[in-house]
Amino acid sequence: GAGVSQSPSNKVTEKGKDVELRCDPISGHTALYWYRQSLGQGLEFLIYFQGNSAPDKSGLPSDRFSAERTGGSVSTLTIQRTQQEDSAVYLCASSLSPLGEVGPYNEQFFGPGTRLTVL
Amino acid sequence: DAKTTQPNSMESNEEEPVHLPCNHSTISGTDYIHWYRQLPSQGPEYVIHGLTSNVNNRMASLAIAEDRKSSTLILHRATLRDAAVYYCILRDRLRGSNYKLTFGKGTLLTVNP
Repeated sequence: GAGVSQSPSNKVTEKGKDVELRCDPISGHTALYWYRQSLGQGLEFLIYFQGNSAPDKSGLPSDRFSAERTGGSVSTLTIQRTQQEDSAVYLCASSLSPLGEVGPYNEQFFGPGTRLTVL
Repeated sequence: DAKTTQPNSMESNEEEPVHLPCNHSTISGTDYIHWYRQLPSQGPEYVIHGLTSNVNNRMASLAIAEDRKSSTLILHRATLRDAAVYYCILRDRLRGSNYKLTFGKGTLLTVNP
């Protein structure tokens, strides 16, 4: 079946412009995560959506970053007034259920990422 | 954030076993140990996870120390396609009963032909 998809695969923008990154999770997956990965670094957690609950935004680096998830499916990460330090690969992951205390293991399935370059 | 320690890089020869170590001395009693890997220019993919007992699946084996403060991911016969960054991960709590996986820098595995 289809995995997690992200678009665009590459985005080059000028400093100060706004960008929107899209994530299509696996159908039926209730949990959705956004991460970003700077060159040579590990993944940095950004935001987490679970079903219809309010998202956990604790990883967003500044108020220029926001995300929404419509209808419990597609998610959009928006970066306003982009800065050069925003350049990174933005990864989206989904899982069938949350990574909780009990229950079957729910591995995260990652998309291929969007490479954002801010000039 | 939950802390794991891994070597920055390791090297192996094709068709030989590879043992990738991880230290997680602050692990709590209910925490699983998760391993993901990231092939070049791809998103991470799940490899294996375990709690206390050693685990095997089609990709790898996971050996967990008796005190759970360390674990070793074992690739029984490395192939060139196993060249990747391997992440040993504990979870961190978010709001309520939700959790996230905290990825460190991982171990870059190079497989020589």
